[in-house]
Amino acid sequence: QSVLTQPPSVSAAPGQKVTISCSGSSSNIGNNYVSWYQQLPGTAPKLLIYDNNKRPSGIPDRFSGSKSGTSATLGITGLQTGDEADYYCGTWDSSLSALVFGGGTKLTVL
Amino acid sequence: EVQLVESGGGLVQPGGSLRLSCAASGFTFSSYEMNWVRQAPGKGLEWVSYISSSGSSIKNADSVKGRFTISRDNAKNSLYLQMNSLRAEDTAVYYCATDGSYGYLRPYFFHYWGQGTLVTVSS
Repeated sequence: QSVLTQPPSVSAAPGQKVTISCSGSSSNIGNNYVSWYQQLPGTAPKLLIYDNNKRPSGIPDRFSGSKSGTSATLGITGLQTGDEADYYCGTWDSSLSALVFGGGTKLTVL
Repeated sequence: EVQLVESGGGLVQPGGSLRLSCAASGFTFSSYEMNWVRQAPGKGLEWVSYISSSGSSIKNADSVKGRFTISRDNAKNSLYLQMNSLRAEDTAVYYCATDGSYGYLRPYFFHYWGQGTLVTVSS
C-alpha cells in the first residue's frame, strides 16, 4: 500500500488529453514539492516534472504538473503512442522522513 | 552528457552481502547529492538511500536501516551501496540517481538515472 495514491491505469486516444492524479496528506504533498516520472517499458525512470510544475530541459510542454492542497496532477496533452508508459509521483514525507512514491499509473494510448 | 552506470548486481543467497557501484561522468559529481532507488520485479519505485555531496549526511529507508550502507568516493566519481543481511524482498533493480540537490540534506527529486543493476536474493 503506497503512501501516495494513484489510479492503476488511465487511457485515452491519440491526440487527446489525459490527467493522472496523486493523492496524499499534509505530511507529504500538502507541505512538500511533488515530482513526476515516466518509465517507458524496459527502461529507467525519467524526470518529467519537479517542484510541482517545472519541466526539466528537453521535456515538451505537452507535459504539465499542478498541485492543490494534498493532491497533485500530471497532465499530458496531444497524446502519442510513445507516451504509453508507467507514471509515478513522488514527494518527501515529513512524518515518515522518507521520499515516497505513488504506486504508479499505466497509461494506455488507444 | 550525464552518465550513471551501475554494476555489482547478481544472484546472492538470503543473508548474504553484495556491493553495488555507480560510476558517474559528464557532471561535477562532488557537487551533487545522490540516491539509490529500487524497483522489485513488476512493482513500483522505492527510495532506498540518500547521501549528501560531501558524504556527511545520509538517510535510509526504514526497510534497509541497519543493513544497507551508502557511501561515495568523490575522487573516483563513484557511489556505492553495501548491502548486508539480504532478504528475498530486497530482490529488485537498483538505480542510482542524482538528486535535485537543493541542499535540503534529504532526498528531493531524482534528476538523472542510471540503467539499473538487478539484485536477486534467492537460495
